[in-house]
Amino acid sequence: DTGVSQDPRHKITKRGQNVTFRCDPISEHNRLYWYRQTLGQGPEFLTYFQNEAQLEKSRLLSDRFSAERPKGSFSTLEIQRTEQGDSAMYLCASSPDSGTSGSSEQFFGPGTRLTVL
Amino acid sequence: AQSVTQLGSHVSVSEGALVLLRCNYSSSVPPYLFWYVQYPNQGLQLLLKYTSAATLVKGINGFEAEFKKSETSFHLTKPSAHMSDAAEYFCAVSARGTYKYIFGTGTRLKVLA
Repeated sequence: DTGVSQDPRHKITKRGQNVTFRCDPISEHNRLYWYRQTLGQGPEFLTYFQNEAQLEKSRLLSDRFSAERPKGSFSTLEIQRTEQGDSAMYLCASSPDSGTSGSSEQFFGPGTRLTVL
Repeated sequence: AQSVTQLGSHVSVSEGALVLLRCNYSSSVPPYLFWYVQYPNQGLQLLLKYTSAATLVKGINGFEAEFKKSETSFHLTKPSAHMSDAAEYFCAVSARGTYKYIFGTGTRLKVLA
């Protein structure tokens, strides 16, 4: 078990460009989450998958953001027409499908740091 | 609705001194509470969690936290700070029926030699 991995670790892009991030969860975990963390703040929930189904999206996830988990394994987060305000750390987490909802430990990846110039 | 407030964005303690990091929560339903630690360039790591069993929860690296419903608090403590404890600490709340965490703004712990 190598933990949650994210790629790339760093991304610098120009305003208006599209970017895509990948997350590989722990292999036996059915649940996958995306969070965004800006400087001096805690992570903010963006979206959640149970297998391939996207079950919840935050209002933070504007129409420029889209997330997929096509085969219930890895996930991608795409940001279209990036803005400077999108600069942040994007964190992915996964958890097993066990226990009472909400009580499971989420295992976090190292994050992808996005800088929009 | 749920929320978390962490008092003190920066805390400094001397090596060997007591560590106390404060977390207060708000939740309309019985909460689940978590403390995570984040070292530079690393992902968040779970220290401990409260899921309605024992109110005093022991975690890794000598940390513990006590759930106090009357005070809506879940403060993190460690009797004796080590240099390796220097990191950012996040309190988070969740609840039955939801899967997402709501995080506080974090407390950066500095340990002085």
